[in-house]
Amino acid sequence: DIQMTQSPSSLSASVGDRVTITCRASQSITSCLNWFQQKPGKAPKLLIYAASRLQSGVPSRFSGSGSGRDFTLTISSLQPEDFATYYCQQSYSTPVYSFGQGTKLEIK
Amino acid sequence: QVQLVQSGAEVKKPGASVKVYCKASGYSFTSHDINWVRQAPGQGLEWMGWMNPNRGNTGYAQKFQGRVTITRNTSISTAYMELSSLRSDDTAVYYCARDYFDILTGYFMFDYWGQGTLVTVSS
Repeated sequence: DIQMTQSPSSLSASVGDRVTITCRASQSITSCLNWFQQKPGKAPKLLIYAASRLQSGVPSRFSGSGSGRDFTLTISSLQPEDFATYYCQQSYSTPVYSFGQGTKLEIK
Repeated sequence: QVQLVQSGAEVKKPGASVKVYCKASGYSFTSHDINWVRQAPGQGLEWMGWMNPNRGNTGYAQKFQGRVTITRNTSISTAYMELSSLRSDDTAVYYCARDYFDILTGYFMFDYWGQGTLVTVSS
C-alpha cells in the first residue's frame, strides 16, 4: 500500500501569510495527487487534482505542485476562511486510495 | 446539480452491524464509482473501499476486509455500506464520495461527497 505523509501536522499562521504544506508518498505516484480542505463538521472539499490543477470554483490563491514522491500545497495569501484541515490523497493506485494524516491550519 | 445524500446518525452496540446509505442524484449513478471514507473523532480521513455501480464489483481496504460490504440498488441510485462486528473504535463519521475520472487529464478525484453519517458504537 502507498503511504502518504504530510508535514507539518499543524501550523499557525496569520491572515495574509503565504503557507506551504508538504505531502510525501512512499513511492512514486507521478502526478496522481489530490488536495482537500475540511472544515469542522463538514465533508472534505476538493481543491487541487492531478497535483496542480485547480478544481472549478476554488480561489486562485491555492496552488499545488510536485510530482513523483514530493508535493506541496501553497496558499499565497491566507484568508480567514482558509483556516481548516488539509489532506492529500494519492490516486495512483486507483481504485485503491490513501490519504495523508492531515495538516491543521490555525490562526496565530 | 450533483448530490450525495446519506442516511441519518446511528447508535449501535458492540458486535452489531450498521448499514449506511448514500443516495445519488444529478448524474448517471452507474457512470462513476462510489467510495466510502470514514473519520474517527478528531482523526484523519481513512479510505474504506469502492464500488462500481454499473458492474457491482467492489474492493476494500485490507483493514476492513471481511467486515465491510458495499452494495447498490441502481433502480434508486443508492449505494450502501454495511460494517459488521462493530467495536467502539468504529465510532466515526462515514462519508460516501463520487470518484470522477477527468477524461481531459486522465486523473481520478473525489469531486462530490455526502454530508456524512455519524455512527456511534457504545454499550
